[in-house]
Amino acid sequence: QSVLTQPPSASGTPGQRVTISCSEGSSNFGSNYVNWFQQVPGTAPKLLIYRDNLRPSGVPDRFSGSKSGTSASLAISGLRSEDEADYFCAAWNDKLSGWMFGGGTKLTV
Amino acid sequence: QVQLVQSAAEVKNPGASVKLSCETSGYTFTGYYIHWVRQAPGKSLEWMGWINAGQGNTHYSQTFQDRVTMTRDTSANTAYMELSSLRSEDTAVYFCARDNVKVGAAFDFWGPGTLVTVSS
Repeated sequence: QSVLTQPPSASGTPGQRVTISCSEGSSNFGSNYVNWFQQVPGTAPKLLIYRDNLRPSGVPDRFSGSKSGTSASLAISGLRSEDEADYFCAAWNDKLSGWMFGGGTKLTV
Repeated sequence: QVQLVQSAAEVKNPGASVKLSCETSGYTFTGYYIHWVRQAPGKSLEWMGWINAGQGNTHYSQTFQDRVTMTRDTSANTAYMELSSLRSEDTAVYFCARDNVKVGAAFDFWGPGTLVTVSS
């Protein structure tokens, strides 16, 4: 059961900009960072964004993260066919003392 | 380069236990944490816990704390996760992932996953 809520699907055409939201019903986001992952079906997830808006080495700057209040967002600009994948958000939850993942958003390009 | 290599797929009967391995290379094993995360077919990711590869201390998800044991062998740069009292709902791909606590980048590198099938 996910305590982080994501839309189940999103779509866009090549070159467009899309955003995927991740919301949480408490103030947990205010004190904890959000990470974002990309997962191509059948493979392991890949870290895209950590600490709300930082990109690991090798992740294109087309991917960006932001957070405000109880909601976080992943934005993908200049959409490409290879961006078609599942996207997950994750954050530490103080109340549950554990990492929580969103339900995932399937992006269709 | 950082690599996490996981053990082969397992098929277990209900009630049995399974012990998975995650062999690492390309970095100083004892300087990082290792998480275990699972993904049931068609479902999202579910965090199971972490082990501090240096100190050996662990922190488990409340969901699994009665059934999971995480250990490590620093001489082999390998982390292990054992899950007991298996049931059909435990059928999933189990991933190990590194936590770069120094920069706050949790789950920065992942293993390919191990499929565990629980069936009689």
